[in-house]
Amino acid sequence: AQSVTQLDSQVPVFEEAPVELRCNYSSSVSVYLFWYVQYPNQGLQLLLKYLSGSTLVKGINGFEAEFNKSQTSFHLRKPSVHISDTAEYFCAVSDGAGGGSYIPTFGRGTSLIVHP
Amino acid sequence: DTGVSQDPRHKITKRGQNVTFRCDPISEHNRLYWYRQTLGQGPEFLTYFQNEAQLEKSRLLSDRFSAERPKGSFSTLEIQRTEQGDSAMYLCASSFEWGTEETQYFGPGTRLLVL
Repeated sequence: AQSVTQLDSQVPVFEEAPVELRCNYSSSVSVYLFWYVQYPNQGLQLLLKYLSGSTLVKGINGFEAEFNKSQTSFHLRKPSVHISDTAEYFCAVSDGAGGGSYIPTFGRGTSLIVHP
Repeated sequence: DTGVSQDPRHKITKRGQNVTFRCDPISEHNRLYWYRQTLGQGPEFLTYFQNEAQLEKSRLLSDRFSAERPKGSFSTLEIQRTEQGDSAMYLCASSFEWGTEETQYFGPGTRLLVL
């Protein structure tokens, strides 16, 4: 069984400061990893995903994440945040072994709050 | 294509009533997923379809819940005899299975409040 732990429920940060949102996963098989963003009263939007290959993944809106297999982590980073980045961020893991559905298991989310 | 759409966006109902939600996936997507999201939690998988076949159901999907995807296009999720614990955001996602890569695209959700 897979699980995802998002270590921070809330991350406050000032505008233009860097931010890191932490995500650790557990899985007995190879994995696919995702970060989604959810703005208030909206569905989830895919920020980036790791399927294979380079461990540094670049996504939309200036976000990037690094897959670290030894530490089972997939932390999300942005060098300079904007007020508009205020949202809920979800890390998710799915089975990368293939041959079936890719039903992701989501973490509980991290609320990023950007202050002016 | 404008993405995954869901209708209604909000639903308020009284306990014991039946409700039905609709999801229209991205047109070329063959997989469709339903999730439930409660306050302060991530989405939890309920069920998914490949074309018109319902291939997997979560233990969360009690016998009061039923989902259909006739003709492999839009899908409906019905909750019978609603309970206050059913209050949540119901999210639909669709994807196109292509080899070993699949990315789900989410709709805006239907927020259900059971009084």
